[in-house]
Parts: sequence; structure tokens; C-alpha cells
Amino acid sequence: DAKTTQPTSMDCAEGRAANLPCNHSTISGNEYVYWYRQIHSQGPQYIIHGLKNNETNEMASLIITEDRKSSTLILPHATLRDTAVYYCIVRVDGGAGSYQLTFGKGTKLSVIP
Amino acid sequence: EPEVTQTPSHQVTQMGQEVILRCVPISNHLYFYWYRQILGQKVEFLVSFYNNEISEKSEIFDDQFSVERPDGSNFTLKIRSTKLEDSAMYFCASTKRWADEQYFGPGTRLTVT
Repeated sequence: DAKTTQPTSMDCAEGRAANLPCNHSTISGNEYVYWYRQIHSQGPQYIIHGLKNNETNEMASLIITEDRKSSTLILPHATLRDTAVYYCIVRVDGGAGSYQLTFGKGTKLSVIP
Repeated sequence: EPEVTQTPSHQVTQMGQEVILRCVPISNHLYFYWYRQILGQKVEFLVSFYNNEISEKSEIFDDQFSVERPDGSNFTLKIRSTKLEDSAMYFCASTKRWADEQYFGPGTRLTVT
């Protein structure tokens, strides 16, 4: 299974871009990178995912390096409500057309006023 | 926006008792999942379910656990004889197609005394 490495914590000033890095050097060619976040003890919230191209949606941008060994999640204008634990996950496909998400410890992002 | 709902939000039970945690996935979703998170620890995959069958289960999902889709809307997790170590947040998730992003419910906090 491809494992991910993320910094334990990061701070970001409100209104600035938050750049959250993730290393996944053992990722396989057909494995996707997913980002989720968890605010307090709420259910994880899907943010974005990608395979090899950069992706953007209304919440964030995902930049994946050409060798796919690392990626960066970008929150363009962080707000206090973005304070959460952010998880970078490499999707592992199981049998019978299912997959499980393997959560690590993630990065605790604190957005500071 | 459709969302996954879970009931109850908090369940307190005595060791050895049976509990049923309920989830209502997003209405047109076909793939269902249970995860749990012991306080202060990682989110862990328990089981995936599709077409009225378990697709995949983790080592945690032993004979004390079972899942069921009793009707067209509910998805349940039963713990037959609860143990103290079953105390955790339990999250339900669902997807429409197997490769789609998983949408999580708010969780049920299970406290076993």
C-alpha cells in the first residue's frame, strides 16, 4: 500500500493561501491521491482528488508533481472555518469494485486571525 | 445538497449489550461503508457493502460486527456484544459509483460503560 507522509501541523494567516504538502513516493501508476479534512470530530469531508494532472474545484487546488511522488493541496484564501485536520490519502482499490480509505494522522492546519 | 445522516448522534450502552447504529446514505448511492475513530486516533476502515453483500472488511470487523441494508434507505451496523474498546465514533459513508469520492455522515459516538 502506498503510504503518505504529511507534516504534523501548520499555521496559516487568515486570507492567505494554505499550502499543505504530502509525500507519497511509493504510489503506483493507477492510484489516485485524495484529500479529506476533518473538523473537530465531525465526519471526514471530501475535498479533491487527482491522478496525475492538477485539479481545481470550488474548495481547493491539487498540484501533483510529474513523478507523482508528492502533491500539494492549496486552499487559496484560508478562513477560520478551514481550521481542521487535513488527510492526504492514496486510494487502495479492494476487491469487488470497492475501495477503502486509509487515513493517517494528517496535518492539523490552524488558520490564525 | 443531499447528505448522509446517522442516528443516534450519541449512544451509551453497557458492556455486553447489543447496539445497532443507523445510517441513511445519499438516496441514489449504491456503495456503503463503515469507519470508526477511537478518540484521539486515526479513522479506520471497517467494512464496505454493495449489492447486499460485504465487499471488503478489515481485521477489526470480526464476528461481533454485522451490517445490513434492511430496506431501500437504511444501512445499519450491529455490534452483537459490545466491549469497552468498541467506544468510538462510527462514521457511515456512501458513493454512487464505486470509484467516486466517499461522502461521510456526521457520526455516532458510541460509549460503552
